[in-house]
Amino acid sequence: DTAVSQTPKYLVTQMGNDKSIKCEQNLGHDTMYWYKQDSKKFLKIMFSYNNKELIINETVPNRFSPKSPDKAHLNLHINSLELGDSAVYFCASSQATGGGYEQYFGPGTRLTVT
Amino acid sequence: SQQGEEDPQALSIQEGENATMNCSYKTSINNLQWYRQNSGRGLVHLILIRSNEREKHSGRLRVTLDTSKKSSSLLITASRAADTASYFCATAVGGGNKLTFGTGTQLKVEL
Repeated sequence: DTAVSQTPKYLVTQMGNDKSIKCEQNLGHDTMYWYKQDSKKFLKIMFSYNNKELIINETVPNRFSPKSPDKAHLNLHINSLELGDSAVYFCASSQATGGGYEQYFGPGTRLTVT
Repeated sequence: SQQGEEDPQALSIQEGENATMNCSYKTSINNLQWYRQNSGRGLVHLILIRSNEREKHSGRLRVTLDTSKKSSSLLITASRAADTASYFCATAVGGGNKLTFGTGTQLKVEL
């Protein structure tokens, strides 16, 4: 059973389009995250939700909008895609917020904007 | 800005040798974690060390933390080809769950 799953695994789209990435965790965790990993493998947090409430919102263009319908799901919608949005996006979850909890990562969604 | 810088950026060793990776960070931390990323996959948590701990072991992994030097090291003993991956350190500041990742070390273990 996959602990943290993401769909789709690959996403190729044109500039200006709107796309969504879905994430689900079956670990019973309260906290979920979105990360962006660029071509140099640098990994940066974008958002974090705790029990459907937004708790971390890094400096991310407002074209990116996360949505958490319940604590097991965290989706990422991206409007008006740009070339610079091309990256691998990872969803993750942890048992709770607060320091000291390991994070479980999904397999990633490779987004290519042409 | 990045919290962690890792050294070396890339490391190539023979199977059976030990591999050591270092991580330096800038601000006081609550804990430091190490993750592994195999090519094309998500990150996998390896070990967490708290700011009041100096050393931790897990199987063939040994992590040290020196808060006075703001640095940590990950030692993999008796490496195997399956250890080939990128290794990242990540720091948590204060009581929050925000992890800031380092630049990563790419380890290649050759047969």
